[in-house]
Amino acid sequence: DAGVIQSPRHEVTEMGQEVTLRCKPISGHDYLFWYRQTMMRGLELLIYFNNNVPIDDSGMPEDRFSAKMPNASFSTLKIQPSEPRDSAVYFCASSGGAGGISHEQFFGPGTRLTVL
Amino acid sequence: QKEVEQDPGPLSVPEGAIVSLNCTYSNSAFQYFMWYRQYSRKGPELLMYTYSSGNKEDGRFTAQVDKSSKYISLFIRDSQPSDSATYLCAMRYTGGGNKLTFGTGTQLKVEL
Repeated sequence: DAGVIQSPRHEVTEMGQEVTLRCKPISGHDYLFWYRQTMMRGLELLIYFNNNVPIDDSGMPEDRFSAKMPNASFSTLKIQPSEPRDSAVYFCASSGGAGGISHEQFFGPGTRLTVL
Repeated sequence: QKEVEQDPGPLSVPEGAIVSLNCTYSNSAFQYFMWYRQYSRKGPELLMYTYSSGNKEDGRFTAQVDKSSKYISLFIRDSQPSDSATYLCAMRYTGGGNKLTFGTGTQLKVEL
């Protein structure tokens, strides 16, 4: 398996633009997580899904952020409109599946977002 | 106050030193404890996990949990330059799905 795949790896955009981050979890995993990492705040959970259903979105900072998981192999995190304070590395992670360690989350390489 | 506190470092040690990394937590509902390692510009990877008080060893790494003090530690013996990374503690509730709460991470540099 190729692991968790994220795209794009880097994104530079201007304030006010819409940004869409994409994630393909590991096949067979039933949990998907979106995180944001900054030096100041560390790794913050934004939202997570179980079997494509959003379970906890309490970490989503505001209405500008939205996430979807239309099927078991794809998820998006959208920021509209983007602001400079959204600049961070966004990670997608997946876990679960038969025989897996439930607390082992497999992280993608991240998307480094810069909002000018 | 955050549920999980971790000294961000940076921590710089000479090769071969014993390294001690620590986290404290405030919520006694946490029952599972993990350490993740994150190399520069990569995603975190699970290093060790435990669910009981006491010590767990894996090669040069020892994870220690003290639930009465709400304190966990990771010890690295005979540290190597390849251990240079950020180490994040993580915790999970029983019945909390697979949701983890992470510390902010401690940046470690092992120098030749």
